[in-house]
Amino acid sequence: DAMVIQNPRYQVTQFGKPVTLSCSQTLNHNVMYWYQQKSSQAPKLLFHYYDKDFNNEADTPDNFQSRRPNTSFCFLDIRSPGLGDAAMYLCATSRSGMGTGKYFGPGTRLTVT
Amino acid sequence: GNSVTQMEGPVTLSEEAFLTINCTYTATGYPSLFWYVQYPGEGLQLLLKATKADDKGSNKGFEATYRKETTSFHLEKGSVQVSDSAVYFCALSRNSGGSNYKLTFGKGTLLTVNP
Repeated sequence: DAMVIQNPRYQVTQFGKPVTLSCSQTLNHNVMYWYQQKSSQAPKLLFHYYDKDFNNEADTPDNFQSRRPNTSFCFLDIRSPGLGDAAMYLCATSRSGMGTGKYFGPGTRLTVT
Repeated sequence: GNSVTQMEGPVTLSEEAFLTINCTYTATGYPSLFWYVQYPGEGLQLLLKATKADDKGSNKGFEATYRKETTSFHLEKGSVQVSDSAVYFCALSRNSGGSNYKLTFGKGTLLTVNP
């Protein structure tokens, strides 16, 4: 089945230690997104790639970066995680277009100790 | 700006009960509307969608109709099952410039179905 895969499902990192979360997709969608979801809240968009074009949300902290080496893969880099960055991180994909809907991965739960 | 307001939970029902989760929106023009479901410990799954007024989205026994006159997209199911227990998010999509068809989510409604 075509899908969005996130690895790892659970990640523990130390305060200030860089961490990278991975996302891959077999849907061949041209748009990939990263969301942050804190407990009992709606997902919050961090940034997205439209093909190779990177689009940052205005309120996304500089601590968060992303890379998309090819159509299938996208990475979220947190340069210096703080305790407030502990959350579920969701990767999503879509074809371009307003009505197509987004397909989400299962998420990576990040714990910062 | 765009916003989505959905019924606050938690909602607790018995199996086979009728479900309604209300959702209203504020947006300019004609957004696309979605319901997403999030099962415990998992990511969001697209449940159903509607892209224009009077469209009805349906999936797995769930339905929602895009009502422009009342700016609503209420989720309904005639007979819920224990396996429907999850958080349900209403969302709208509008072009916020260039390639970004930004999803605006409601706060989510936790549904618990008891046997």
